[in-house]
Amino acid sequence: GENVEQHPSTLSVQEGDSAVIKCTYSDSASNYFPWYKQELGKGPQLIIDIRSNVGEKKDQRIAVTLNKTAKHFSLHITETQPEDSAVYFCAASIWGSQGNLIFGKGTKLSVKP
Amino acid sequence: DSGVTQTPKHLITATGQRVTLRCSPRSGDLSVYWYQQSLDQGLQFLIQYYNGEERAKGNILERFSAQQFPDLHSELNLSSLELGDSALYFCASSVVGTLNEKLFFGSGTQLSVL
Repeated sequence: GENVEQHPSTLSVQEGDSAVIKCTYSDSASNYFPWYKQELGKGPQLIIDIRSNVGEKKDQRIAVTLNKTAKHFSLHITETQPEDSAVYFCAASIWGSQGNLIFGKGTKLSVKP
Repeated sequence: DSGVTQTPKHLITATGQRVTLRCSPRSGDLSVYWYQQSLDQGLQFLIQYYNGEERAKGNILERFSAQQFPDLHSELNLSSLELGDSALYFCASSVVGTLNEKLFFGSGTQLSVL
């Protein structure tokens, strides 16, 4: 089945710096890649997603890139702010599994003021 | 607020017991998903329902079962609980439960088995 690897597991940056989180997936048929942000005591919140027919997508300070050939995708956060501190999860869909997601293990991002 | 409601927020019980977790999806969503989150396993997909019918099954133990009712709320039943079942259980919903659909998660139920 699909397997999603996420790196790094922890990331600490200074406020204003950029942060990059990388994920790789195993199933070449996967074609949907969302990113979720989970704050303490809350459920995962969808922040951006990308489909396999697109190489890059931006939403204000957040961008996601996808390399289908290499089977990896990345989350880029620019001009980080303390409120960006959270655990970020990447995920990939399993082809033909009706919308189920396989998640990476998460990256704990800490933004220091 | 995602619009997905989960109750209770916390549940403390003993080994061997049975508990029921409840989820109300976002208004208009027909599909409900259950996920288990633990420190060692991360977010694991358990089961999905669409309009009352089971649609997909993931890593759900035989001691666990779920159902979706006519009003679209869902319940996850966990029985013969073991210490290792302690985890955060999340419910998510989507409009029709098709591939590549956005999932919206509730705040979870923290289960502690003592």
